[in-house]
Amino acid sequence: GAGVSQSPRYKVAKRGQDVALRCDPISGHVSLFWYQQALGQGPEFLTYFQNEAQLDKSGLPSDRFFAERPEGSVSTLKIQRTQQEDSAVYLCASSPSVFESEQFFGPGTRLTVL
Amino acid sequence: TQLLEQSPQFLSIQEGENLTVYCNSSSVFSSLQWYRQEPGEGPVLLVTVVTGGEVKKLKRLTFQFGDARKDSSLHITAAQPGDTGLYLCAGARGTYKYIFGTGTRLKVLA
Repeated sequence: GAGVSQSPRYKVAKRGQDVALRCDPISGHVSLFWYQQALGQGPEFLTYFQNEAQLDKSGLPSDRFFAERPEGSVSTLKIQRTQQEDSAVYLCASSPSVFESEQFFGPGTRLTVL
Repeated sequence: TQLLEQSPQFLSIQEGENLTVYCNSSSVFSSLQWYRQEPGEGPVLLVTVVTGGEVKKLKRLTFQFGDARKDSSLHITAAQPGDTGLYLCAGARGTYKYIFGTGTRLKVLA
């Protein structure tokens, strides 16, 4: 497929568990974004990568959230010691270059913390 | 904290009716985008507006960027059931950061 893919699509975690969410961007896309979307709300920016460099992590809610993109392609968002308030859809998006404004979104991972 | 307020929050209309969705902020944005999102999917870009006062048309959809680049509207003519979805505006802050609005959930009944 040519689009952005995310896995798993659904994740249920017990409070306190660690989770890892994966994003496969469109091949060759330089920019990669993570967003958090609460039910019925718009996405909220979490972090931005340009190739392997994490240029902005100002939206990460706490130090329990960590994102990486070590080879400038696949990215992982890790949440440690999950809390109920972490329940949301986590969206990944990629863009061809820094100068391209169109973001191509994946289907998201729905995280439910019990 | 979302700086872009959308109204209405929910809208249910009959097929063939017209509607307008508003996106308002006290902040200036260098550009503004509109997306549509369907359940279980990510948002899909509809349009980007860049210049204050700009109007863009996409078939039955008309997008307008406010003169001061703080607000925008989306007008749909003769709505169809296929227009059902969550409509999101997103304002650009700098070269890569987009602030999304609160969303308008539209349902068009056949």
